[in-house]
Amino acid sequence: DIQMTQSPSSLSASVGDRVTITCRASQSIDRDLCWYQQKPGKAPRLLIYAASSLQTGVPSRFSGSGSGTDFTLTLSSLQPEDFATYYCQQSYSIPLTFGGGTKVEIK
Amino acid sequence: EVQLLESGGGLVQPGGSLRLSCAASGFTFSAHAMNWVRQAPGKGLEWVSGISSSGGNTFYADSVKGRFTFSRDNFKNTLFLQMNSLTAEDTAVYYCAKAAFGLVGATASDYWGQGTRVTVSS
Repeated sequence: DIQMTQSPSSLSASVGDRVTITCRASQSIDRDLCWYQQKPGKAPRLLIYAASSLQTGVPSRFSGSGSGTDFTLTLSSLQPEDFATYYCQQSYSIPLTFGGGTKVEIK
Repeated sequence: EVQLLESGGGLVQPGGSLRLSCAASGFTFSAHAMNWVRQAPGKGLEWVSGISSSGGNTFYADSVKGRFTFSRDNFKNTLFLQMNSLTAEDTAVYYCAKAAFGLVGATASDYWGQGTRVTVSS
């Protein structure tokens, strides 16, 4: 199974900050990586697929990059509605595996 | 509008069984693979099972293999997850999710249901 390691596990930031979350795969997954946002009590929401493609309706302040084993999710200017937990997931092979999550909290 | 509505969750004793359903609408159901993903209380996301668009191929996490069965009815646009021999480790919110791409296999999930809670406890 491919292991996904996210860092940091949590961070505190202010509105307007630039935030970067990283995700590392235990083996190369090409660009088969997606990112989700989850708010408490809600289902996950797809933000990014294929490492850098923005899902329809997702604000352009979200961006993704990377290939192979190392990936990044960037929020260019944090907004109040962005405080949530973010997960990466590899879509390279079954079983699908998720990172442990990064909780973005208000500083 | 894509909608996924799970049902069938509840409290069950260890060793018991439960059948989850997921009613889908707003897209061509028979053209998409589907997944079940669960989230234990206070924990992260765990993929449980996937099924191809036709239902002919199913995939399972090692943690549920041999105990869970994923099926679909493409005439009724409904998914089913039969869960047997449940243990406390199966306690979680279970989400059905639509595969964004492809008829089968690994993919992102672009739509998720609201989840149904399963609690395994005596």
